[in-house]
Amino acid sequence: SAVISQKPSRDICQRGTSLTIQCQVDSQVTMMFWYRQQPGQSLTLIATANQGSEATYESGFVIDKFPISRPNLTFSTLTVSNMSPEDSSIYLCSVGVAPYNEQFFGPGTRLTVL
Amino acid sequence: GQQLNQSPQSMFIQEGEDVSMNCTSSSIFNTWLWYKQDPGEGPVLLIALYKAGELTSNGRLTAQFGITRKDSFLNISASIPSDVGIYFCAGQRHDKIIFGKGTRLHILP
Repeated sequence: SAVISQKPSRDICQRGTSLTIQCQVDSQVTMMFWYRQQPGQSLTLIATANQGSEATYESGFVIDKFPISRPNLTFSTLTVSNMSPEDSSIYLCSVGVAPYNEQFFGPGTRLTVL
Repeated sequence: GQQLNQSPQSMFIQEGEDVSMNCTSSSIFNTWLWYKQDPGEGPVLLIALYKAGELTSNGRLTAQFGITRKDSFLNISASIPSDVGIYFCAGQRHDKIIFGKGTRLHILP
């Protein structure tokens, strides 16, 4: 398994601003993922972030709105840009752990946009 | 897109009862995963299944990877109050995971 931390744990933001969420892992991992979980809903994959390459975004998510950095094998950031109330959600990072790449999740960042 | 059908959507049971939930898909997966999510937390991996037909236990939890590779079930025996939460199935193919909509487990006092 892996121990994953996220910062901030929660935030309340104004419309039109941006928030950067950090994800830190206690070991080196190749694959990191960012998910969104809207209230009472399941998890939806935003993008896959592999070190040394551009993030791969899922349908409905674009880099201009959700830029991702992956500077090394233990860290990643997700920025939620130009926020609107519809971006209010829990944002979760996860890592795939070899050899089967099961995913382990961080505690999430609860974002409220006013 | 691909979807997993998870049922039931919610369950209300008495403490001590056994629980069963399942997940089906129209697609084949290489791995089936079961997670539990408590309020304000990220999902925690309970059981991972890697082979069709595999039956795996983790304490009071038992899960099986369906022989067709399109379904899985999770059983919880002798439920206790800390079992309350949302259980998600997830099918994994290569590096991507698709989640079910979750089963919300309530335990009546």
